[in-house]
Amino acid sequence: GQQVMQIPQYQHVQEGEDFTTYCNSSTTLSNIQWYKQRPGGHPVFLIQLVKSGEVKKQKRLTFQFGEAKKNSSLHITATQTTDVGTYFCAGLNAGKSTFGDGTTLTVKP
Amino acid sequence: DGGITQSPKYLFRKEGQNVTLSCEQNLNHDAMYWYRQDPGQGLRLIYYSQIVNDFQKGDIAEGYSVSREKKESFPLTVTSAQKNPTAFYLCASSYGQGWVTEAFFGQGTRLTVV
Repeated sequence: GQQVMQIPQYQHVQEGEDFTTYCNSSTTLSNIQWYKQRPGGHPVFLIQLVKSGEVKKQKRLTFQFGEAKKNSSLHITATQTTDVGTYFCAGLNAGKSTFGDGTTLTVKP
Repeated sequence: DGGITQSPKYLFRKEGQNVTLSCEQNLNHDAMYWYRQDPGQGLRLIYYSQIVNDFQKGDIAEGYSVSREKKESFPLTVTSAQKNPTAFYLCASSYGQGWVTEAFFGQGTRLTVV
């Protein structure tokens, strides 16, 4: 079945440092979605990428979808303490989406 | 307010008992989903429904059952056949066919079976 791998599992950064999480699929994806889950909370949608090579920005967050539509990344510039949480990707293939295991980001003030 | 509501937030049950988790949405979404989340892990799909009176098994459907008699409601029953039911359960919904638009998640139900 479809597998979506996400790395790293954990990332600890100093406030102000950059952060990147990577998502890799074993199959070509129709779309990829990114969600953020704060500690003790529920996942909240961040963005959806559909096109090959697509790049989208949301303030300090940059999302990329690979040319082959099998990988994606989320990059946060100059992290803040409000960025803490777990970031999940979810890739859609053959009518069903699979979540990665997430990257948990902690930020030291 | 529009949204998706799960109840209760915390639930305790004795081993061997069935338990039903509630999920209601007033977003007029066609697709609804149930996920299970274990500590340090991602979301695993239990069941999903793209239309009333129809639902499909996800990756870990064994020991669970659902119904979709109304568009707004998608209750999940955790049966005694589920070997390790203690987990955080998340319900979600989205507009249109499954996963082509953003999913809105409920607050989750934390089930503990003792």
